[in-house]
Amino acid sequence: QQQVKQSPQSLIVQKGGISIINCAYENTAFDYFPWYQQFPGKGPALLIAIRPDVSEKKEGRFTISFNKSAKQFSLHIMDSQPGDSATYFCAAQERGYSTLTFGKGTMLLVSP
Amino acid sequence: DGGITQSPKYLFRKEGQNVTLSCEQNLNHDAMYWYRQDPGQGLRLIYYSQIVNDFQKGDIAEGYSVSREKKESFPLTVTSAQKNPTAFYLCASSIPTTWGTHTDTQYFGPGTRLTVL
Repeated sequence: QQQVKQSPQSLIVQKGGISIINCAYENTAFDYFPWYQQFPGKGPALLIAIRPDVSEKKEGRFTISFNKSAKQFSLHIMDSQPGDSATYFCAAQERGYSTLTFGKGTMLLVSP
Repeated sequence: DGGITQSPKYLFRKEGQNVTLSCEQNLNHDAMYWYRQDPGQGLRLIYYSQIVNDFQKGDIAEGYSVSREKKESFPLTVTSAQKNPTAFYLCASSIPTTWGTHTDTQYFGPGTRLTVL
């Protein structure tokens, strides 16, 4: 079974700090890497996504860094805010397939 | 407003009973998915359907069944054969990807929390 390994399992960051969540994969056929944000009791929502043809994508305070050779990608949240406190999931999708393989999630707490 | 609805939000079931979770979407998406979420386990795929009257098993299909009679609807039945059904169930939909094109986002519903008493 293809896997996406996500770390850390939980993370506490002070307000204004940088939150960093990492994911690694083995399947070189993966070609789409989205990140989802989930608040308690809600469904996940797409936050940002990247494809292997770029090494970085930035949207506001959220940045994905992608290292194709290392088969790793990470989410950076700059100037973290208490409202960013949520669970974050990385995922990967193989070209030609509609299903996503999810990491196990990172519970982020941003302290005021 | 376009979106995915799941009902009910909370569901309680006695052991040995079958129960059906509803998922409806008005996004005109062809593909629909069911996931199970347990603490610390991420999202695990139960079943998915890329077109009406067709569906495939995901990673943890045992003890579950689905139907896809309409494009808008993809109900999930949790049967008595599912040994540990207490979990948060999420439905999603997307336009299915085709070879060589960019992938389309999966959109999630608000979820149904199932508790077995």
